[in-house]
Amino acid sequence: DVKVTQSSRYLVKRTGEKVFLECVQDMDHENMFWYRQDPGLGLRLIYFSYDVKMKEKGDIPEGYSVSREKKERFSLILESASTNQTSMYLCASSELQVNTEAFFGQGTRLTVV
Amino acid sequence: GDSVTQMEGPVTLSEEAFLTINCTYTATGYPSLFWYVQYPGEGLQLLLKATKADDKGSNKGFEATYRKETTSFHLEKGSVQVSDSAVYFCALRSYGGSQGNLIFGKGTKLSVKP
Repeated sequence: DVKVTQSSRYLVKRTGEKVFLECVQDMDHENMFWYRQDPGLGLRLIYFSYDVKMKEKGDIPEGYSVSREKKERFSLILESASTNQTSMYLCASSELQVNTEAFFGQGTRLTVV
Repeated sequence: GDSVTQMEGPVTLSEEAFLTINCTYTATGYPSLFWYVQYPGEGLQLLLKATKADDKGSNKGFEATYRKETTSFHLEKGSVQVSDSAVYFCALRSYGGSQGNLIFGKGTKLSVKP
């Protein structure tokens, strides 16, 4: 059974903390994505990566960075967490071919207090 | 750039009612089209897909047909159940697109009442 696994389902962090969200896929996919999901705004792309050490900004990269040192792992970093980063974060992976689907993790509900 | 537009929600239906969720797209090239479903508290999972014009994707009683002439991929189900209550996302992938070639609509929340 193919899997995208996010390290936490729920996280509570304090304002100003450095936060790491980890995502691992076991399908040898080239693409990996980080989205945030907020009511009424749908999915907004933060960053994506198409290869190890490669990354591209999405729609809302401000306040975030990413790391992809190994093909199977894609980390999202909140350099200094703020309350407006309270959200649901979704990781996904896919093959490069556009006729294939993306697979999603179960999501991380992050609350910054 | 590429984009997906789907009908605004929320949509509330009674059990056994007919469901249509409209989805239209703009894309360069020849996109593949997808419907994803998100149950409460979960990530997204693929519901169905179609990769070329006139293809029909189907799964769990849901269907959608890739209409190139109208650039549409509307989701339908003949008789919804309470368990279909979820958020539905239309999406496309295209070689001409950006953002990792994966573009989503904003989602449509469906509530089915007994």
